[in-house]
Amino acid sequence: QSALTQPPSASGSPGQSVTISCTGTSSDVGGYNYVSWYQQHPGKAPKLMIYEVSKRPSGVPDRFSGSKSGNTASLTVSGLQAEDEADYYCSSYAGSNNSLDFGTGTKVTVL
Amino acid sequence: QVQLVQSGAEVKKPGASVKVSCKASGYTFTSYGISWVRQAPGQGLEWMGWISAYNGNTNYAQKLQGRVTMTTDTSTSTAYMELRSLRSDDTAVYYCAREIAESDAFDIWGQGTMVTVSS
Repeated sequence: QSALTQPPSASGSPGQSVTISCTGTSSDVGGYNYVSWYQQHPGKAPKLMIYEVSKRPSGVPDRFSGSKSGNTASLTVSGLQAEDEADYYCSSYAGSNNSLDFGTGTKVTVL
Repeated sequence: QVQLVQSGAEVKKPGASVKVSCKASGYTFTSYGISWVRQAPGQGLEWMGWISAYNGNTNYAQKLQGRVTMTTDTSTSTAYMELRSLRSDDTAVYYCAREIAESDAFDIWGQGTMVTVSS
């Protein structure tokens, strides 16, 4: 079970866009379309924002979008709002261990 | 509404065991799997394992094999996670989460249970 690599931090001004990367290997991110993204505010449980690379659960604003290229998945938050300031984690199915790996987490700051 | 409600905080000594419960409501319990995820203070998320509420099949993270057991009680729509031989680095918030079928994504989360391991 290995952690997927995310940048520690990202930031943007209100209204701007920010993109967070999630890098794995061909055994996880690159090999399966089971990449999810979670938002976590301090002291709260994570909230699902994207699943299966680019699907949005009902109730998640379309400002949040996901994509994947090779072994790297990305989450883009467009039209940043103050409430988007949070920690974001990616996750991916890892077929070699039949397990789930999480990313190292990215703290998004709205300037 | 659909929710998962977990048991309260625990303080345990090294070497002891802890059992955390996760009661589901608002949906058909046996139609979804439950995963357990933990988060050490100031750290990231760690997947611990999964259990099918339909048939009790389990899949545990390799690093926890032999120390963790996940079970369900369908009569009360409750999932349980027991962790044995506790160490200080097991100190964490433990979450249960409902899995969207065959997607390895968790759409409903419990509120979390703080487990502190300290002598």
